[in-house]
Parts: sequence; structure tokens; C-alpha cells
Amino acid sequence: AQTVTQSQPEMSVQEAETVTLSCTYDTSESNYYLFWYKQPPSRQMILVIRQEAYKQQNATENRFSVNFQKAAKSFSLKISDSQLGDTAMYFCAFMIPYGQNFVFGPGTRLSVLP
Amino acid sequence: NAGVTQTPKFQVLKTGQSMTLQCAQDMNHNSMYWYRQDPGMGLRLIYYSASEGTTDKGEVPNGYNVSRLNKREFSLRLESAAPSQTSVYFCASSGLTGVGNTIYFGEGSWLTVV
Repeated sequence: AQTVTQSQPEMSVQEAETVTLSCTYDTSESNYYLFWYKQPPSRQMILVIRQEAYKQQNATENRFSVNFQKAAKSFSLKISDSQLGDTAMYFCAFMIPYGQNFVFGPGTRLSVLP
Repeated sequence: NAGVTQTPKFQVLKTGQSMTLQCAQDMNHNSMYWYRQDPGMGLRLIYYSASEGTTDKGEVPNGYNVSRLNKREFSLRLESAAPSQTSVYFCASSGLTGVGNTIYFGEGSWLTVV
């Protein structure tokens, strides 16, 4: 069975600074997808970024980028130039193609401080 | 573009009452899911449906039933609600679309059982 671990229950960062959220996963599969989802206080789940395991290049979306280390089974999220609107829970998720079952980590609560 | 729509958004039930949460997606996705999220916790899979006509149990299926009515709709039923089922419920869908296996979420349904 696949598992996803986020070892940082809570983090804080000053506005405009950079923060990195950690995620590790366990799987015997070679092809899979990884995601970061953001959940603001409204509770809506918002896709931040996704990564295909077969791609060596790290995904980026504006201020958000990942550091994907396949051998280490690590998938960290870096948020640059943090903004107050980045305050949210962040969930790392894992999915096997055609398995159609997403596994979520427990989440990291990020607070951006003014 | 509606995406994933779930109703109702808020519901208060008395212990022992029954209710159905409705979910519909307009993205022509094959797979649909029901998750629950308890306070301060991550998402736990209740049931999922990989395709029309099939359903499978997730991590926490006890006390729930589901129906994949057609490709668009996937309902979750609580036959005899218990206070332990107080939670936020998320419906989601995914499919082999142009953006791959990303999962899209509804806005959540807040359920309180008293």
C-alpha cells in the first residue's frame, strides 16, 4: 500500500520570504503522479502543482516549485515570495495511473506572517 | 464551468436520521470519490467509483452507502447518522483528460450530527 508522510504539522514564514514544505512517500511503483493541494480556511481544495514521476524536470507554477527526488521518494514544495493569501493547509498527494485512488498526506498548516 | 457540484453545503441531522449527499461533475470524468475530513486532519477515502457501474470501499466505509447513478452523479448515503459522522464531506472526480489524472474537488458539505 502507498503512504504519504508530511513531517511538519505546522510552519510559519514571513511575508515575501521563501518556505519549503516536505513530503515523502512510499511505493513500489515506477510510474505515478504527485500533487500539492492547498486548502484555505474556506476548505476548498485547490490544485497547486502536479508532477509526473517519469519526468525528471521539476514542475513549476509561478511562485510554486517542487524538488522531486525519485530515488529518495521525496517531493517538497517551495513557495517563493510568500503572500498572506498563501496561508492554508497544504496536502501532498500520490496517485497511480489507472489505479484511480489518491492517497493524501496528513497536511501541513502554513501561516504567512505580515 | 461548474466542475464538481455537491449538495447540500450544510446539514444538521439528529442521531439515527438518514440523508443523502448528492454530487455531480460535468467534466466527463470516469472516476468519482467521496472523502471525509475531520477537524485538523487530512482526507480519508470513504468510497470511490472507478467507472459507471462500479464502486469500491475506501479507508472508512462503515456507516455509508454509495450509488453511481450515471457517469455524472455519485451519491453518498448515511442510513442511520451517528455523531462520529460529523465531518466535512468532499466529492471529487478525476479522469484521463488533457491534464492527466488530476483530481478535482467540490466545495465540501458540512454535516453535523447531534
